Amino acid sequence: EDKVVQSPLSLVVHEGDTVTLNCSYEVTNFRSLLWYKQEKKAPTFLFMLTSSGIEKKSGRLSSILDKKELFSILNITATQTGDSAVYLCAFSGYALNFGKGTSLLVTP
Amino acid sequence: ETGVTQTPRHLVMGMTNKKSLKCEQHLGHNAMYWYKQSAKKPLELMFVYSLEERVENNSVPSRFSPECPNSSHLFLHLHTLQPEDSALYLCASSPGTGTYEQYFGPGTRLTVT
Repeated sequence: EDKVVQSPLSLVVHEGDTVTLNCSYEVTNFRSLLWYKQEKKAPTFLFMLTSSGIEKKSGRLSSILDKKELFSILNITATQTGDSAVYLCAFSGYALNFGKGTSLLVTP
Repeated sequence: ETGVTQTPRHLVMGMTNKKSLKCEQHLGHNAMYWYKQSAKKPLELMFVYSLEERVENNSVPSRFSPECPNSSHLFLHLHTLQPEDSALYLCASSPGTGTYEQYFGPGTRLTVT
């Protein structure tokens, strides 16, 4: 059975800290792995990863995929209170299969 | 953000009511999806439409009935729901199915009383 496991489930850090969020997966037909940020309602797209070892960056956020070890990490450096959200990892088949998410709280 | 819109944003309905959720995408995409998000659970895929054809029905009870009249519009018709159906219902679209990022609407918060 395909599955996505995210860790930790929740995390509290202080502004300025660096955080690493983890996503491991077991899928029979891997196409890509995606990261989303969900604040209030709609998840918003962050990254899509299809190749191992190639880091994707957007400002203070970066992500990398390891297809051999079947995991991905999302790094956030110099965290800000606006980074507080649930971060969702998903792999794609016909649609997206999501993990439970990591709830990140950044305190001032 | 107006790429994917959903109405209503909030809905309270009794178990004997019939209501519909609407989703519209303005991105020119060919695939549309319904997801259910309950507390403490991962987002769950409900239905997938590609070019107005349903390609996946993820074991959803028949009290949920989707309709996709064209590639821009998606409906979810609801009837005789149960309290455990209370959740956030999210619509998404993508250029096609498979390896494409999906764009989500703001969701409809449904409460079944």
